[in-house]
Amino acid sequence: DAKTTQPNSMESNEEEPVHLPCNHSTISGTDYIHWYRQLPSQGPEYVIHGLTSNVNNRMASLAIAEDRKSSTLILHRATLRDAAVYYCILSAPSNYGGSQGNLIFGKGTKLSVKP
Amino acid sequence: ETGVTQSPTHLIKTRGQQVTLRCSSQSGHNTVSWYQQALGQGPQFIFQYYREEENGRGNFPPRFSGLQFPNYSSELNVNALELDDSALYLCASSSLTGTGEYFGPGTRLTVL
Repeated sequence: DAKTTQPNSMESNEEEPVHLPCNHSTISGTDYIHWYRQLPSQGPEYVIHGLTSNVNNRMASLAIAEDRKSSTLILHRATLRDAAVYYCILSAPSNYGGSQGNLIFGKGTKLSVKP
Repeated sequence: ETGVTQSPTHLIKTRGQQVTLRCSSQSGHNTVSWYQQALGQGPQFIFQYYREEENGRGNFPPRFSGLQFPNYSSELNVNALELDDSALYLCASSSLTGTGEYFGPGTRLTVL
């Protein structure tokens, strides 16, 4: 299974942008890059995903390197509610067109947000 | 739209017992996956069900088994409980033609 490498922890100030890095040098050509986050005492929450191009949604932006060996999750203005563990995950596509389940979680990056 | 729900929220069992955990999928989702999350670790994939059949399995022994019902709800059964089975058990539903898994809040299992 393709693996990802993330820093164990990061700190940010409230209302400032946060860039969460992820290395995935063994990514295959068809692997999607997913980001999930887990707030304290909750199940993981889908944040964003991408394949090759940068992606934006209401929660965050995903910047994918041209060689796809790394990516960065960008929170444009961190809030206290963004304090969570952020997981970068590679996922192979399913035979049905979507991304497969079987997510391989690492330990993620614990993001702390200071007021 | 109803999200993923799990029951019970907490459970205490003793070593050697059997346990059944339940999950209701998000409306419109036909696939369910189960994960085990030990304290301080990321979730570990147990297995996935699609159309009531197992559609992939992680590195878990056969005493971990599951069921998916026609309404796409699911059960996780664990036999011969061991102390190391103490964990948060997460259910996630998805659509195989979509992307992203939607997780429930989990069931906290404690084995004494």
